Amino acid sequence: AQSVTQPDIHITVSEGASLELRCNYSYGATPYLFWYVQSPGQGLQLLLKYFSGDTLVQGIKGFEAEFKRSQSSFNLRKPSVHWSDAAEYFCAVGRGNQGGKLIFGQGTELSVKP
Amino acid sequence: DSGVTQTPKHLITATGQRVTLRCSPRSGDLSVYWYQQSLDQGLQFLIQYYNGEERAKGNILERFSAQQFPDLHSELNLSSLELGDSALYFCASSPYGGADTQYFGPGTRLTVL
Repeated sequence: AQSVTQPDIHITVSEGASLELRCNYSYGATPYLFWYVQSPGQGLQLLLKYFSGDTLVQGIKGFEAEFKRSQSSFNLRKPSVHWSDAAEYFCAVGRGNQGGKLIFGQGTELSVKP
Repeated sequence: DSGVTQTPKHLITATGQRVTLRCSPRSGDLSVYWYQQSLDQGLQFLIQYYNGEERAKGNILERFSAQQFPDLHSELNLSSLELGDSALYFCASSPYGGADTQYFGPGTRLTVL
């Protein structure tokens, strides 16, 4: 069955420290991969996406993610976290032959210490 | 602001009742998606419409139904409501029908008492 795993439910980092959020997927073919962020009381905002090509993708707000086919991973990184990055982060996968259906991970809540 | 609008923002109702959630996609987008977000199930895909036709279906309950109208707005109808239907319901839209960037609305928070 198709699935997305975000192993870390909650992560706390200090402001200015680097960040890596993990995402692993289980899919039968090369998936389309997304990272979304959700602030409290808000909808989901797209940070970045991978469809094909360069496996290192750049997104908004200084985020980047790397697709590693051999590890079935799509980890999100940021070199220096800001207090405003505190939010919940969701990894999602989709496949073109299933319409636009996205399967989401359980999310990782990020807290930022001053 | 994603350009996707959802109404109402909050909805409180009783068990057994029926409600309708409304979504207007971004201008030019042909696909509309509905997702349910709850504490125990996380974010679950319910259904997708593309240009008025059903394109993909997730684990949507038989008590739930959706449609997309000629002006491309969509409605999600939830009937015979149960306590467990309390959740945040998101609508998203995208330009096309396949794997595509989805833009999410702010959600409708449904509380069933």
